[in-house]
Amino acid sequence: DIQMTQSPSTLSASVGDRVTVTCRASQSIGSWVAWYQQMPGKAPKLLIYKASSLQGGVPSRFSGSGSGTEFTLTISSLQPDDFATYYCQQYNSYSMWTFGQGTKVEIK
Amino acid sequence: QITLKESGPSLVKPTQTLTLTCTFSGFSLTTSGMGVGWIRQPPGKALEWLALIYWDDEKRYSPSLKNRVTITKDPSKNQVVLTMTNMDPVDTATYYCAHRTAAMVTYGGQGTLVTVSS
Repeated sequence: DIQMTQSPSTLSASVGDRVTVTCRASQSIGSWVAWYQQMPGKAPKLLIYKASSLQGGVPSRFSGSGSGTEFTLTISSLQPDDFATYYCQQYNSYSMWTFGQGTKVEIK
Repeated sequence: QITLKESGPSLVKPTQTLTLTCTFSGFSLTTSGMGVGWIRQPPGKALEWLALIYWDDEKRYSPSLKNRVTITKDPSKNQVVLTMTNMDPVDTATYYCAHRTAAMVTYGGQGTLVTVSS
């Protein structure tokens, strides 16, 4: 099974801050990583797919990078709407899926 | 526009079998590369992947739930069904279905909250 280790679990930041969340895969998964934003009581919203491709309609302050086993989600300038929980997911083709444990971005 | 809607009972008793249906539109599960998956989220906890079925009927299951979960599809009805046997209070969660294309996975439904209680 592929494990996804996400860090940090909680992040306190202020509006305007640059924020970085990391996921590490237990084995190489190419670029098969997505990043999601989840608001309380809502379904996960896709931000980034295939490690670095921005989903349509998602603000350009969100970006993703990495390949193999190390992946990063960056928010270049945190906005009030960005305080939420973020998850990485690996979805290697025709394989099982796995989520990271989540990162809650809180107001500092 | 792609839509997904989860449906099923909101309350099940321990040891019962849960049956959830994902009804979708905007794509066909007969199209090469398409898939539908299920995930869940216990209250206040992280997302957990459960099962996945592809257009060619290939199926994948979470190792931790493999003996309890079955996923099937009915492309003619645009539906995917998840069954989970021997339900326990720890299975209380919001269940979501997902759309898998060649490039991405999206979650478009509201989810359905299932409570396991006697």
